[in-house]
Amino acid sequence: IQMTQSPSTLSASIGDRVTITCRASQSVSPWLAWYRQKPGKAPELLIYRESNLPSGVPSRFSGSGSGAEFTLTISSLQPDDFATYYCQQYNDYSPVTFGGGTKVEI
Amino acid sequence: EVQLVQSGAEVKKPGESLKISCKGSGYSFTQYWIAWVRQRPGKALEYMGIVYPGDSDTRYSPSFQGQVTMSANKSINTAFLQWTGLKASDTAIYYCAKLFDYADYIDHWGQGTVVTVTS
Repeated sequence: IQMTQSPSTLSASIGDRVTITCRASQSVSPWLAWYRQKPGKAPELLIYRESNLPSGVPSRFSGSGSGAEFTLTISSLQPDDFATYYCQQYNDYSPVTFGGGTKVEI
Repeated sequence: EVQLVQSGAEVKKPGESLKISCKGSGYSFTQYWIAWVRQRPGKALEYMGIVYPGDSDTRYSPSFQGQVTMSANKSINTAFLQWTGLKASDTAIYYCAKLFDYADYIDHWGQGTVVTVTS
């Protein structure tokens, strides 16, 4: 299953509302996660099962969508959020795949 | 607190062998799958496969089948990723990561091991 993210790069300012899209080549619901990777660091989980926030993840992050189209929204961009974001589909019937990433720049 | 601590950076020559490690703590290591993820310089994440420390069962992504070997030693809470003939194209950061459940999302990541293959 191919995962396509858009845009590949996004320029934004502190306080902006930011939306990143992830499209799958077939339905993957509900097995969709989002990760944030700060420069030089390991990725960290933001969203699992399309829209669920793990404990400790700030509420400015939200996930939505279903089927093959999904969105990650950051309601008010913070300095910590300048990073690269990846979507991932995971299931038991096809190899796990990540999207190509979306870099959020100042 | 769940922690995955990986072995240090490696510099190897093409054709050499390598085994890197990932030690888990703060949870029942034998009951959760460990994934390995590759990130080539400036590139996206690539899912290599998973190993179950409880019985060393493995599942490889097609692109990595036959290219690497995943294993685990439950007596020391450690998972391993190894190569027998490194290539320059294996230069990357390799992350180990804990799955929430089988075929599930990654809920914790190691800090990464930088592998450089150069003549």
